[in-house]
Amino acid sequence: GQNIDQPTEMTATEGAIVQINCTYQTSGFNGLFWYQQHAGEAPTFLSYNVLDGLEEKGRFSSFLSRSKGYSYLLLKELQMKDSASYLCAPMDSNYQLIWGAGTKLIIKP
Amino acid sequence: GAVVSQHPSRVICKSGTSVKIECRSLDFQATTMFWYRQFPKQSLMLMATSNEGSKATYEQGVEKDKFLINHASLTLSTLTVTSAHPEDSSFYICSARWAAENNEQFFGPGTRLTVL
Repeated sequence: GQNIDQPTEMTATEGAIVQINCTYQTSGFNGLFWYQQHAGEAPTFLSYNVLDGLEEKGRFSSFLSRSKGYSYLLLKELQMKDSASYLCAPMDSNYQLIWGAGTKLIIKP
Repeated sequence: GAVVSQHPSRVICKSGTSVKIECRSLDFQATTMFWYRQFPKQSLMLMATSNEGSKATYEQGVEKDKFLINHASLTLSTLTVTSAHPEDSSFYICSARWAAENNEQFFGPGTRLTVL
């Protein structure tokens, strides 16, 4: 079957760095997306990885290892507005996104 | 990035009535659109995949006669919740897939449906 595994909740301090891990199993693979979702809002795109390695985009970076079925999202210089759920969503062979429950990130001052 | 609009953003209706939600891709053509439902503190649940000009593909457990989906053009898909009941109250989100952008799904802002 297809499944996603992410921590349910993480807590970090403003200004610090946090890494959110994701392991996945899918039928085929066409890349992996990370989305941010604030409470009561729709998800917004953060990053896309299709090849192994690190993609850096400002304060956010995302890493992929296809052989290990593993990705992480790294958030630096955390701000209070980063408090949200972070969704790891691999794309299967039908270009369908597979969704897990996401990781709720709580930022404390 | 691409913009997807959704209308209405909020709707309150009486039990037994039907509600139509529109999803539009504003600056690109989307051959495929998706409809999701999300209950509080739960993950996104895919309801159906909508392809322009053809019937929608519904996920297991989603009643196609209750959730009518029409994808009449490359920029518009509609979801009609027929004979709504309080248990249909949820956050409905559409997304549109853009093949030119790594098949990324661009999400609409969502529609919060409350059935009294």
